[in-house]
Amino acid sequence: DIQMTQSPSSVSASVGDRVTITCRASQGISTWLAWYQQKPGKAPRLLIYAASSLQSGVPSRFSGSGSGTDFTLTISSLQPEDFATYYCQQGNTFPSTFGQGTRLEIK
Amino acid sequence: QLQLQESGPGLVKPSETLSLTCNVSGGSISGSSSYYWGWIRQPPGKGLEWIASIYYSGSTYYDPSLKSRVTISIDTSKSQFSLKLTSVTAADTAVYYCARRPVAAHHVWFDPWGPGTLVTVSS
Repeated sequence: DIQMTQSPSSVSASVGDRVTITCRASQGISTWLAWYQQKPGKAPRLLIYAASSLQSGVPSRFSGSGSGTDFTLTISSLQPEDFATYYCQQGNTFPSTFGQGTRLEIK
Repeated sequence: QLQLQESGPGLVKPSETLSLTCNVSGGSISGSSSYYWGWIRQPPGKGLEWIASIYYSGSTYYDPSLKSRVTISIDTSKSQFSLKLTSVTAADTAVYYCARRPVAAHHVWFDPWGPGTLVTVSS
């Protein structure tokens, strides 16, 4: 299975900050990567698919980039509702696998 | 607006079978030829794990590590799909989610998701 490694595991930031989360695949996955946001007690919410395509209804402060093995999720200006855990997921090779998550906390 | 809702026992004894159903409303499973329907789980405090997916025609895909214990099925007349996991242990304790993903190859992203249901394996 392809291993997806996210960094950092947790990060503290303030409202208005720019935050970048990284996801690295153990082998190349082209741009077959998605990002999700999960709040406590809730189901994950799809933010980004195909590495850089913004899901309908997701604020434009979220953006994704990367290809091959290295990917980033950027939140341009943190809002209070953005504090959550973020997961990446690869779809290049069966079975699909997720990263371990990055917890974004309020500083 | 498509909505998914999981249902099933919240407590299962070790060695028994976990059975869950996902009810789909606001859209048709049989009419959705562009989508797979799937199950994903999340152990308490841990990450996400894809379990299985099914097409409306009945084609199935399973995570290899769980394949020997998992069965996914679909009932288009009831607009629902189901998961059975046999010989459960404490390691199967998790929140189980049902969700939809596009059928196109590599398009494995899930949206929308059900709210999830916690299944605890304990005697």
